Amino acid sequence: DAGVIQSPRHEVTEMGQEVTLRCKPISGHDYLFWYRQTMMRGLELLIYFNNNVPIDDSGMPEDRFSAKMPNASFSTLKIQPSEPRDSAVYFCASSLASAQETQYFGPGTRLLVL
Amino acid sequence: EDKVVQSPLSLVVHEGDTVTLNCSYEVTNFRSLLWYKQEKKAPTFLFMLTSSGIEKKSGRLSSILDKKELFSILNITATQTGDSAVYLCAVEPPRNSGNTPLVFGKGTRLSVIA
Repeated sequence: DAGVIQSPRHEVTEMGQEVTLRCKPISGHDYLFWYRQTMMRGLELLIYFNNNVPIDDSGMPEDRFSAKMPNASFSTLKIQPSEPRDSAVYFCASSLASAQETQYFGPGTRLLVL
Repeated sequence: EDKVVQSPLSLVVHEGDTVTLNCSYEVTNFRSLLWYKQEKKAPTFLFMLTSSGIEKKSGRLSSILDKKELFSILNITATQTGDSAVYLCAVEPPRNSGNTPLVFGKGTRLSVIA
């Protein structure tokens, strides 16, 4: 199994631009999570899905952030418009059958907004 | 408020030293506590602890949970430069919390110098 796949691995963009991060979970995993990690705030859960349905988006910082999961093998996290304070590493993770099992993380997308 | 607190925030040791990383939590009746190692990329799973007082070992790493005092420690003996990483602690909330995912601490950054 290839594990959780994320793209791009790095992105540098200018303030105001739209950013789209992509994730492919491990095949057969029912849960998908989006996390953001910064030095100041550590690892924060943004949103998670169960069988493609968003369950808890209370971690999404503001309306500029949105996430979709159109099918079991693909999810996007979009930031529009992006701001410098959005600079962070964004991780996608998946777990097999519950939100409380071991989560397997993707390699992350390092985002820098100038 | 922080429900999972790790200490110290950062640690620098020489190769061969033994280190103890601490994780305390405020989540009562939690289901399990997990330790992850994060090097340059995504977190990788180390241990899942569910029972108090039972040590789990993997090579030079070991971990134990104290449910009465609400903490866990991660020990690394004979440290090597390859142990340099951020070590994350996460707590799995109780069943009656719905399907709430793991709650992460901010991590301890360990640097092992030759």
